[in-house]
Amino acid sequence: AQSVTQPDIHITVSEGASLELRCNYSYGATPYLFWYVQSPGQGLQLLLKYFSGDTLVQGIKGFEAEFKRSQSSFNLRKPSVHWSDAAEYFCAVGTTDSWGKFQFGAGTQVVVTP
Amino acid sequence: NAGVTQTPKFQVLKTGQSMTLQCAQDMNHEYMSWYRQDPGMGLRLIHYSVGAGITDQGEVPNGYNVSRSTTEDFPLRLLSAAPSQTSVYFCASSRGTAAYEQYFGPGTRLTVT
Repeated sequence: AQSVTQPDIHITVSEGASLELRCNYSYGATPYLFWYVQSPGQGLQLLLKYFSGDTLVQGIKGFEAEFKRSQSSFNLRKPSVHWSDAAEYFCAVGTTDSWGKFQFGAGTQVVVTP
Repeated sequence: NAGVTQTPKFQVLKTGQSMTLQCAQDMNHEYMSWYRQDPGMGLRLIHYSVGAGITDQGEVPNGYNVSRSTTEDFPLRLLSAAPSQTSVYFCASSRGTAAYEQYFGPGTRLTVT
């Protein structure tokens, strides 16, 4: 079965600084990888996804993520964070042998300071 | 196009009571699912459905029942609420396979006393 690990429970970053959120997965084949964002009191919104092809994917709100097969990682980055990026971020994995079933990481809470 | 809707937004139950959390989508999605979100545990899959009349268990199904009589609706039933079921519940839908984005409802915050 697939699994997803987000090593950082909580990250504090200054506004304007860069941000990188880590995600590691465990799965035998190439998974489908997603990053979602959850603002306080809201549901989850998709930031970006990777299925195949170019390993650097661009998403909404200026986010990007890079798939590294050798490291089983799919880290999320943003060059310059804004106060509105304060939220919880979830990495998720979907696989071809678990039709419609997704595994979510525990989430990383991002706090943005002035 | 309302997307995924959930009712109620908030609910307080006493131990042993039953209730149904409602979920509906208007995107004609085949796949629907229920998750619960607890601090430090991310989202855990309770039940899912790959089409009308077809449901299956996820990671944490105990204490919950589902049915899928139509493509649009996927209610979650708590048969006898327990304090351990205090959580935020999210319904999601997608076009189908693992390659597709899931669309989430706004959530239901349930407290069981």
